[in-house]
Amino acid sequence: AQRVTQPEKLLSVFKGAPVELKCNYSYSGSPELFWYVQYSRQRLQLLLRHISRESIKGFTADLNKGETSFHLKKPFAQEEDSAMYYCALKRWGSNYKLTFGKGTLLTVNP
Amino acid sequence: NAGVTQTPKFQVLKTGQSMTLQCAQDMNHEYMSWYRQDPGMGLRLIHYSVGAGITDQGEVPNGYNVSRSTTEDFPLRLLSAAPSQTSVYFCASSYGQGETGTEAFFGQGTRLTVV
Repeated sequence: AQRVTQPEKLLSVFKGAPVELKCNYSYSGSPELFWYVQYSRQRLQLLLRHISRESIKGFTADLNKGETSFHLKKPFAQEEDSAMYYCALKRWGSNYKLTFGKGTLLTVNP
Repeated sequence: NAGVTQTPKFQVLKTGQSMTLQCAQDMNHEYMSWYRQDPGMGLRLIHYSVGAGITDQGEVPNGYNVSRSTTEDFPLRLLSAAPSQTSVYFCASSYGQGETGTEAFFGQGTRLTVV
C-alpha cells in the first residue's frame, strides 16, 4: 500500500522567512512524487513534480529515496504563498491511484 | 480549453435524497477520478476510471456509484445522501499508463451539504 504523510497540519511563517513543508512516503515500488497547491477556494493545481527537478514560484523539492521524503522548500516566503499544500504519490509510469497526504495549510504573515 | 468542468458548484440535499455530480473533460484523458476533500483528511479517492466502460473503487466508495459511458464524462451518483457525505468533491483527469510526471487536472469542486 502507498501512503503519504504530511506531519504538519498548519505552518505559519513571516514574510521573508524560509519555509519547509515536510512530506514522507511509504511505497514498495518506484514512486513519482508531486506537490499540489490549492489557493483559497480554487481548484488544486500542480506545483512541482520530482522528475522535472524544476523551481516553480521559488519552490523546490528534492526526492530523497533514502529518507523516503519529498520536502518542499522556499528560501523567502511571500504572502501570496499562503495556501493548502498537498504532497502526492503515484506508481512510476502510471496515473492510477494518486495518493494524497492530508495537507499542510501554510500561512505567511506580513 | 475548458479542462475539467464540474457541475453544480454548490448543492444542498436532504438526507435520503439522491443526486448526480457531473464531471466532463475535453482533453481526451483516459483516466478520471473522484475525490472528496474533508478538513484534516486531505483528498480521498472515491472511484476512478481507466477508460470508457471501466471503473473501480477507491478508498471510500460506499454510498457512491459511477459509470463511464464516454471518454469525456464521469458522473458521480449519491444513492441516498447522508450527512457524512457533506464534503467538497473534486473530479480529476489525466493521461493513462505510460506517461511519467503527468499532472492530474482538477475541476473547481462541488461543495455538497447534506442536512
